[in-house]
Amino acid sequence: KNQVEQSPQSLIILEGKNCTLQCNYTVSPFSNLRWYKQDTGRGPVSLTIMTFSENTKSNGRYTATLDADTKQSSLHITASQLSDSASYICVVSPPMTTDSWGKLQFGAGTQVVVTP
Amino acid sequence: DAEITQSPRHKITETGRQVTLACHQTWNHNNMFWYRQDLGHGLRLIHYSYGVHDTNKGEVSDGYSVSRSNTEDLPLTLESAASSQTSVYFCASSRDRNGEQYFGPGTRLTVT
Repeated sequence: KNQVEQSPQSLIILEGKNCTLQCNYTVSPFSNLRWYKQDTGRGPVSLTIMTFSENTKSNGRYTATLDADTKQSSLHITASQLSDSASYICVVSPPMTTDSWGKLQFGAGTQVVVTP
Repeated sequence: DAEITQSPRHKITETGRQVTLACHQTWNHNNMFWYRQDLGHGLRLIHYSYGVHDTNKGEVSDGYSVSRSNTEDLPLTLESAASSQTSVYFCASSRDRNGEQYFGPGTRLTVT
């Protein structure tokens, strides 16, 4: 079973609107939680990285939040643009104290389509 | 500018053939990784290396091998290609073992 689950699988939003993507994980504790953006036909690119002790991190119009108690993270996109159309992937990094250190756990991604 | 490249970008091969996918990075990163990405799945780790002559198996390593003879390159070899290995393959590198990973553009492999 995947240790990182994302919802929704896909969503369509109008240009200029906001949206929020969800990530539930079971990897605990973890070293950091990352959000990546993957454009069609390209490799993933990092948007935000949060450590276990952080609960919010912003990168321009992208804001990630983390609730370690409920093991949930969200990515909020503000005032969406056509260029935001992509897959957004939640990634959890296991802690240094385990054999899994450095082996990232990837969610399946949420496909976002921004329409004019 | 430093970068990570993969070649070929697209490859079609027949079942049973040996195939090698190239990955080259110019960041001088010690850590390199190979993933496969399939519809409905997250990226899955195939093999990884933490330095020259170091290689390790990931969660889906069966049927694949890697070798690390220098810092810049980590080629991925499919010993005998199978249709189940049709996928998009991504190479990544990182400076720190748990640091940010930088991904290549991917190689789309089709095994017929």
